[in-house]
Amino acid sequence: LAKTTQPISMDSYEGQEVNITCSHNNIATNDYITWYQQFPSQGPRFIIQGYKTKVTNEVASLFIPADRKSSTLSLPRVSLSDTAVYYCLVGAGDSNYQLIWGAGTKLIIKP
Amino acid sequence: EAQVTQNPRYLITVTGKKLTVTCSQNMNHEYMSWYRQDPGLGLRQIYYSMNVEVTDKGDVPEGYKVSRKEKRNFPLILESPSPNQTSLYFCASSLGVGRASNQPQHFGDGTRLSIL
Repeated sequence: LAKTTQPISMDSYEGQEVNITCSHNNIATNDYITWYQQFPSQGPRFIIQGYKTKVTNEVASLFIPADRKSSTLSLPRVSLSDTAVYYCLVGAGDSNYQLIWGAGTKLIIKP
Repeated sequence: EAQVTQNPRYLITVTGKKLTVTCSQNMNHEYMSWYRQDPGLGLRQIYYSMNVEVTDKGDVPEGYKVSRKEKRNFPLILESPSPNQTSLYFCASSLGVGRASNQPQHFGDGTRLSIL
């Protein structure tokens, strides 16, 4: 069964680039990797999704190596408002419908 | 506005008193899901539904029931709530085409349940 592993917490400073890595050793061949952001008392919000190599949008980049056993969310020039919990999501192996969420990485941005 | 709406947002109740948390989405999504979130444990999937009248268990289904009689609604039912079901609950929906993990999930604002 697929499982994801992320660092529990990370600290950084405003203006820095932050990279958060998620390990997903048993990812299914047809799975994408999706990252979400969650603020306290709110539902998670979609950030970015990718299958392999690199994906970039207006808020983040996602790097996925060729073996796809891990992925790295990159947040460029973070601000205080990026303080949140970040989750990676993959599918649950053979099931097309069950989802496996990482435990989340609590990112704290300092001034 | 596209949204997932949960009610109530907050509920304090007592052990054994049946309760229902409603969830409704206006995006014509096929896939809907319920999660609970507890400190240090992240999001855990309770039940999910691939379409009307089709539901299945997630990781932590014990003590919960769901139904999907209409595409837009996916209520979560606690027949006999217990204190260990005190948690923050989220409903989510996605398009449902292909593999569910590959579709961005849209979340409600959450329901905080306290079972005394």
